[in-house]
Amino acid sequence: NAGVTQTPKFRILKIGQSMTLQCTQDMNHNYMYWYRQDPGMGLKLIYYSVGAGITDKGEVPNGYNVSRSTTEDFPLRLELAAPSQTSVYFCASTLATGGRSYGYTFGSGTRLTVV
Amino acid sequence: TQLLEQSPQFLSIQEGENLTVYCNSSSVFSSLQWYRQEPGEGPVLLVTVVTGGEVKKLKRLTFQFGDARKDSSLHITAAQPGDTGLYLCAGDRLETSGSRLTFGEGTQLTVNP
Repeated sequence: NAGVTQTPKFRILKIGQSMTLQCTQDMNHNYMYWYRQDPGMGLKLIYYSVGAGITDKGEVPNGYNVSRSTTEDFPLRLELAAPSQTSVYFCASTLATGGRSYGYTFGSGTRLTVV
Repeated sequence: TQLLEQSPQFLSIQEGENLTVYCNSSSVFSSLQWYRQEPGEGPVLLVTVVTGGEVKKLKRLTFQFGDARKDSSLHITAAQPGDTGLYLCAGDRLETSGSRLTFGEGTQLTVNP
């Protein structure tokens, strides 16, 4: 059972470039999330999805876009990379019943540097 | 504004000592979750508490949810070097759109042999 898989693990982007961070889960979880973690900080929610075809903004959505065409996949798109987007990105998923979750499963992260 | 205040931010202790990490907020949560994160990895769930006043034990770790469901604590007894890591608390306010965790800034624990 793979859980939550993120690719790539590391990436260096130049300012203005675009890229997509991939996330897939094989646990049939309905909710999926993207968080970013900066040094010495907790995790900040970027976007989340409560099911295929439904996405919503979190605390820090500017500069990012998401889509959820299947239950398994939740890619995060950076259109015009900026140095402020240098961070570690985590994808997570959970099975929420009645909207309530009892714990998230996280991927191992993508470390992104924008230069 | 930090919704969840976690303290202390850093903690360095000797093997065998006890410690407590606190997670405080002015908001009420439907549940409070504790995670542990090691370098280069994603957070891993330790426990979820959902009832005010609830106490859960996981071997040498004891988790408590405040009566008003606004705060929580993690107590480790006889800490070991293997307990070293970043401990994160996260509150779920159960928005109308469903579960959304808000994280504290974390407590970096170092247990020295």
